[in-house]
Amino acid sequence: NAGVTQTPKFQVLKTGQSMTLQCAQDMNHEYMSWYRQDPGMGLRLIHYSVGAGITDQGEVPNGYNVSRSTTEDFPLRLLSAAPSQTSVYFCATTILDTQYFGPGTRLTVL
Amino acid sequence: GQQVMQIPQYQHVQEGEDFTTYCNSSTTLSNIQWYKQRPGGHPVFLIQLVKSGEVKKQKRLTFQFGEAKKNSSLHITATQTTDVGTYFCAGPRGSTLGRLYFGRGTQLTVWP
Repeated sequence: NAGVTQTPKFQVLKTGQSMTLQCAQDMNHEYMSWYRQDPGMGLRLIHYSVGAGITDQGEVPNGYNVSRSTTEDFPLRLLSAAPSQTSVYFCATTILDTQYFGPGTRLTVL
Repeated sequence: GQQVMQIPQYQHVQEGEDFTTYCNSSTTLSNIQWYKQRPGGHPVFLIQLVKSGEVKKQKRLTFQFGEAKKNSSLHITATQTTDVGTYFCAGPRGSTLGRLYFGRGTQLTVWP
């Protein structure tokens, strides 16, 4: 996993609740990304970061916020969860343009 | 914008049969990458192809990058039950390092 950890592994939320998905890496990599994976949709980029203090939107950013205060951590925040955000979320770090994924967080929004 | 299309979406084979998945891009790619995701797991990097017409092999897996660098394929010879999973291709989004556009994947099922 190139030292990428994600917590929690599983989470169930009610509509309107907020939560933060944690992602951390211990390899001092600059580039980090968040993806969501839905059946038949592949991996879609939510947000990414090219270094501490620098983030940008991917293709499906709505409903999600990110920040990158340190190189190690890249949390993903859901401010008001919706059932459409039920998905598996993967954090990834980049080494020479190759993505190394964390184990994922399976999120269900009721 | 650039998209990476992958077919087929599903493939069911009997153990010992061959398997191929295809990836096509609307634009020329600087490189293409392949990933495998086992059921319940996370995507794992397999290989990166960079050169036009490049062919690389990993045991029973053969990866090709088209001459125009717009298409790629992954071929598995004599599939085994350990090959089960979803195979994704991915190409760079623009020039920003680490931004990839993933195909939707081909889910491979292997009957024993």
